[in-house]
Formats: sequence, C-alpha cells, structure tokens
Amino acid sequence: QKEVEQDPGPLSVPEGAIVSLNCTYSNSAFQYFMWYRQYSRKGPELLMYTYSSGNKEDGRFTAQVDKSSKYISLFIRDSQPSDSATYLCAMRTRTGGYQKVTFGIGTKLQVIP
Amino acid sequence: DSGVTQTPKHLITATGQRVTLRCSPRSGDLSVYWYQQSLDQGLQFLIQYYNGEERAKGNILERFSAQQFPDLHSELNLSSLELGDSALYFCASSAGGGGNTDTQYFGPGTRLTVL
Repeated sequence: QKEVEQDPGPLSVPEGAIVSLNCTYSNSAFQYFMWYRQYSRKGPELLMYTYSSGNKEDGRFTAQVDKSSKYISLFIRDSQPSDSATYLCAMRTRTGGYQKVTFGIGTKLQVIP
Repeated sequence: DSGVTQTPKHLITATGQRVTLRCSPRSGDLSVYWYQQSLDQGLQFLIQYYNGEERAKGNILERFSAQQFPDLHSELNLSSLELGDSALYFCASSAGGGGNTDTQYFGPGTRLTVL
C-alpha cells in the first residue's frame, strides 16, 4: 500500500464547476500538507500549504485537512480552462531531522469551456 | 518561471550508457533536490544536497549518483541505463535545509528516453 493515495483521473468538468480533488494517506507522521499544480511539460508549482486540520482559503482555492481521517482535499471554485493541469498532493514529515516529502501520483484535471 | 534551470531539456540515449543532468538552483537557495517522475510511479524523491553535503536520500538506485558543487549547482549522474530509467527528472531548490516551511521550487525538468 502506498503511503499517499490519489486518483489519477482524468477528471473532466465544465467551466464554472466546483472541483474536488482528494488524497488519503496512511502515515500518521505526516505533519504538513501541500498541493502542487503541474502544467503539461512543466515542473510542479506550489499552490497551497497547510499544517493543521481545517480549511485554508486562497482565492478560488480551498485546502482542507482532516487528520483524524487521514484525508486531504483541494477545492477549486468557478473552475477555468486555465486550471486544466495535473494536481499533486504532497505530505511532509521529519525523518531523523531531515524532511521527507511524499507525493501523490497526481490527478489530471480538464476544465471544458 | 521558478528560477531553477535544468539542462538538457531532452536526452535520448541507449541502454548501458551514462548521462549527466545539470541543475542550477534559484539564486540564494542552498538546497537542491532531485526527483524522478514516471507515469506509473508519480514523483519520487531521489536525493537532497544542502550547501554541498548530502542531506537526505530517497529511492535512489546505486547506478545513480549526484553531487552539489561549490557554486551550488548540482549534477545527477545516471549510469548503466535501462529502459525503465526513461522518465522526467526534476530538480528543485529551497532556501534552507528542508525545514517545515522550506518551500521547494521546481525546474522545468529533463526528459530522458532510453532506447
């Protein structure tokens, strides 16, 4: 079983829809949770970062963490065609004083005009 | 543009060969990370260097090695290449040594194809 599970999709939604992207994890030592966006033929870029259970909002994006269920989500409101990309969840823990970041496989999102 | 540069963009080589991938971190960043991304495995952490010293090691094969030079650029050496090594290789950099708020910035990647 992978430490971080993420549905690879693809997920197709119409423009303006609310998108929900999710990851589950098994390692209770994960302390920090991130979402990266990766456009085709580009490197991942950090979208959001949170370390506590609850919601964190940034514009049209909301990151949600439920540590008791080991479940994180990214919501995108009023989705746009420019949001079409692969979204990777990532989780960080400390191992022997060094960070360890584990990524989900990524969910490919397509927003259709 | 993240400020992290990687060369070359594409590399095509044959099995058994050796290649070197190069990464220049963002100005001022001390850490360099190497990742391998394939369709079935996703983004896999290989190794981290901080200010010239190896800091953390992930799923890096013995056929692979890396180093960080005094000017902080880094090279990833892949030897005895196999078909399964075909993947995207990303370099990322961060300002610190990998603390909790140390954000990684990714380069555009090198696409390696082993024939």
